[in-house]
Amino acid sequence: DAGVIQSPRHEVTEMGQEVTLRCKPISGHNSLFWYRQTMMRGLELLIYFNNNVPIDDSGMPEDRFSAKMPNASFSTLKIQPSEPRDSAVYFCASTLRGNQETQYFGPGTRLLVL
Amino acid sequence: RKEVEQDPGPFNVPEGATVAFNCTYSNSASQSFFWYRQDCRKEPKLLMSVYSSGNEDGRFTAQLNRASQYISLLIRDSKLSDSATYLCVVNDFGNEKLTFGTGTRLTIIP
Repeated sequence: DAGVIQSPRHEVTEMGQEVTLRCKPISGHNSLFWYRQTMMRGLELLIYFNNNVPIDDSGMPEDRFSAKMPNASFSTLKIQPSEPRDSAVYFCASTLRGNQETQYFGPGTRLLVL
Repeated sequence: RKEVEQDPGPFNVPEGATVAFNCTYSNSASQSFFWYRQDCRKEPKLLMSVYSSGNEDGRFTAQLNRASQYISLLIRDSKLSDSATYLCVVNDFGNEKLTFGTGTRLTIIP
């Protein structure tokens, strides 16, 4: 079975550009999480969805960040405009609601903003 | 104070040795506890849950001390393949979110 799929795997962009990260959760999973990982702050939850509905976006750093989940098999995380401090690895994870212990992570997108 | 605190290491341990990590959490209402493993440049993966009575999975033993709010992971007879970052993870009651520690980096030396 396919795991969580993320694209692109690597992204290099210039400050001020729009960045869109994509995620396809495991089929049948109804909870989706977006995380950001940096050396300094570790793994931080940005936002999560249940049944395509955003439940908690308190971790979203600021208005430059937005996330959508138009259907059960696709989600996007957008940064506009991007800044060098957004450079990090962005992970998407999915699970069955109520089974929070086992979140299945995608391979991540390594973002570098110059 | 961070919600979940871990010694970042690195721990450099000879193959075959026993190594232990601790992790402390700040919310006394935390309900569920886990250890995740993250290999270099890879995604985190669940290693094991931590139960109140303590639990073992092969060479790995996890323990929980609710009174002191700390969790431990013991690795016996360490293998080269155990080299990774170990993330302490906490889930609060009634909350679907996981809170991750920043991780403890372990390197097993041949």
